[in-house]
Amino acid sequence: DGGITQSPKYLFRKEGQNVTLSCEQNLNHDAMYWYRQDPGQGLRLIYYSQIVNDFQKGDIAEGYSVSREKKESFPLTVTSAQKNPTAFYLCATGTGGSGYGYTFGSGTRLTVV
Amino acid sequence: AQRVTQPEKLLSVFKGAPVELKCNYSYSGSPELFWYVQYSRQRLQLLLRHISRESIKGFTADLNKGETSFHLKKPFAQEEDSAMYYCALGSGGSNYKLTFGKGTLLTVNP
Repeated sequence: DGGITQSPKYLFRKEGQNVTLSCEQNLNHDAMYWYRQDPGQGLRLIYYSQIVNDFQKGDIAEGYSVSREKKESFPLTVTSAQKNPTAFYLCATGTGGSGYGYTFGSGTRLTVV
Repeated sequence: AQRVTQPEKLLSVFKGAPVELKCNYSYSGSPELFWYVQYSRQRLQLLLRHISRESIKGFTADLNKGETSFHLKKPFAQEEDSAMYYCALGSGGSNYKLTFGKGTLLTVNP
């Protein structure tokens, strides 16, 4: 599955609940990223991590949280503070260096009901 | 701040016609540019990197620093080229990240 596994593929959340999206990789890449994809908005960076136990906010981090306790995993929690969480979420990995681009997961579609 | 602009949300051409997807960027450093493609029901995948100066599936893209552009071109479009295309700009330094444009949906009609 391309070395990056995102789960679940579809997720439904009630308003006021926190949910966690999983991203696991076996590519041995140092860097991992979370993007949100909305129609007409392109991909917007939520959080990213270059190494274990370290991560940085992206352009739209409010209402989200992450952890990077091991190299292979970078889970994203969508909290109740996120005002408009319904979206398609993409995880990506990279070598951490320039010029090589990213490898993307297949995504999780989150719907608030 | 870095920014990527793809001025066309939608682009429709006929099979066999040339196609050009526009991308302009804003960045104070030395730019690293990419084109990504997302076919229907498939994951986003890398199409081209400017540093490799390669041609993939007949597509090419040339970095024009004077015009701050990285347009994607193909001389003869095929129906299987129909997809969403994203231009992306890579930042340098220790906190490397990609900034994406909003994408252009290309439709190649028979």
